[in-house]
Amino acid sequence: AQSVTQPDIHITVSEGASLELRCNYSYGATPYLFWYVQSPGQGLQLLLKYFSGDTLVQGIKGFEAEFKRSQSSFNLRKPSVHWSDAAEYFCAVDATSGTYKYIFGTGTRLKVLA
Amino acid sequence: GAGVSQSPSNKVTEKGKDVELRCDPISGHTALYWYRQSLGQGLEFLIYFQGNSAPDKSGLPSDRFSAERTGGSVSTLTIQRTQQEDSAVYLCASSLSPGLAGDVSYNEQFFGPGTRLTVL
Repeated sequence: AQSVTQPDIHITVSEGASLELRCNYSYGATPYLFWYVQSPGQGLQLLLKYFSGDTLVQGIKGFEAEFKRSQSSFNLRKPSVHWSDAAEYFCAVDATSGTYKYIFGTGTRLKVLA
Repeated sequence: GAGVSQSPSNKVTEKGKDVELRCDPISGHTALYWYRQSLGQGLEFLIYFQGNSAPDKSGLPSDRFSAERTGGSVSTLTIQRTQQEDSAVYLCASSLSPGLAGDVSYNEQFFGPGTRLTVL
């Protein structure tokens, strides 16, 4: 069965520091991969998505993610974190290409220290 | 433009009562999705509507859960005889007509703010 693992439940970084959030998936075919961010009381906002092609994907708010097929990973990165990036981040996989039943990881809560 | 809206934002109910949760998708979006977000869990797919096609109900956890979408727009998720384990945030999302990711018709899902349901 398909699954998405986000091994870090909580991450704390200082403002201005770099950030990497990990995401591993278990999926047999070529996955469609997504990163969403959820601020308190808000819905999920799409940061970036990967379908095919260039394995380094650029997103909004200065985020990027790299798809590594050999490691079944899709880690999210940002070179310099801002206090406003404090939120919960979800990695998701489109369960079966085209059916849009996203499978989400359990999320990583990011805390940013001033 | 307006995003996906959900009402109520919070709902507290007693065990055994029925509840209705409402979702207003983005105008023009033909696809609508319901998810459940439980404490410590990821988001769990519940149901998917696409146009006039029969909905994909494969994610509904029990027959106490049902959903309808009237006129291809507003959707209502109904939970009958609520149980404490139904306590969660229920998220609705909508998208334009989905297609294969290899073409331009594949569209992301836009999420509403959710309804937090607490069953006492």
